[in-house]
Amino acid sequence: AQTVTQSQPEMSVQEAETVTLSCTYDTSESDYYLFWYKQPPSRQMILVIRQEAYKQQNATENRFSVNFQKAAKSFSLKISDSQLGDAAMYFCAYRSAGGNQFYFGTGTSLTVIP
Amino acid sequence: DAGITQSPRYKITETGRQVTLMCHQTWSHSYMFWYRQDLGHGLRLIYYSAAADITDKGEVPDGYVVSRSKTENFPLTLESATRSQTSVYFCASSELVSRYEQYFGPGTRLTVT
Repeated sequence: AQTVTQSQPEMSVQEAETVTLSCTYDTSESDYYLFWYKQPPSRQMILVIRQEAYKQQNATENRFSVNFQKAAKSFSLKISDSQLGDAAMYFCAYRSAGGNQFYFGTGTSLTVIP
Repeated sequence: DAGITQSPRYKITETGRQVTLMCHQTWSHSYMFWYRQDLGHGLRLIYYSAAADITDKGEVPDGYVVSRSKTENFPLTLESATRSQTSVYFCASSELVSRYEQYFGPGTRLTVT
């Protein structure tokens, strides 16, 4: 089974600053998909961004962008201009192409300091 | 309303009792999943289903039973609840095509006393 590792249990950032959350994964597959989910205090899981492994271009969604390093099996999330509403638990997830399961990291709790 | 719903949202039960958590989705997604979320463990897959009448074990299936007689429903049953099953349970669904993300329900907080 694939493993997904988030080595930062907690992170903090000043409002309006930039923060990067790390994620690494272990796989022998060449085609797969990576996701970042946000879980605010409401507990609802919200998709932040998605990256297809076959795409070299890093995905971007407004203030959220990823740094996808396929050879290093790294998938970090950068949040620019951090806002108070970004405070949440963030989960990295992996799904293989043609696969049926998602594999999640243990999460990073992000605090935004006013 | 379209989406994925779970019921109940909160449940307190006693050790040894049977409890069923309900999950309903309106998108006709092929795949449905049950996870438990515990501090330090993230989300762990309990069971998943690729279609009606097709289910398979995930990482932590012991003590749980699932069924899927209809595409839209995927109930999770704890046959004899234990304190170690105190957790937050999430149901999710996704399209058959793997590029698509999972959509999550709001979660059920279960406490076993």
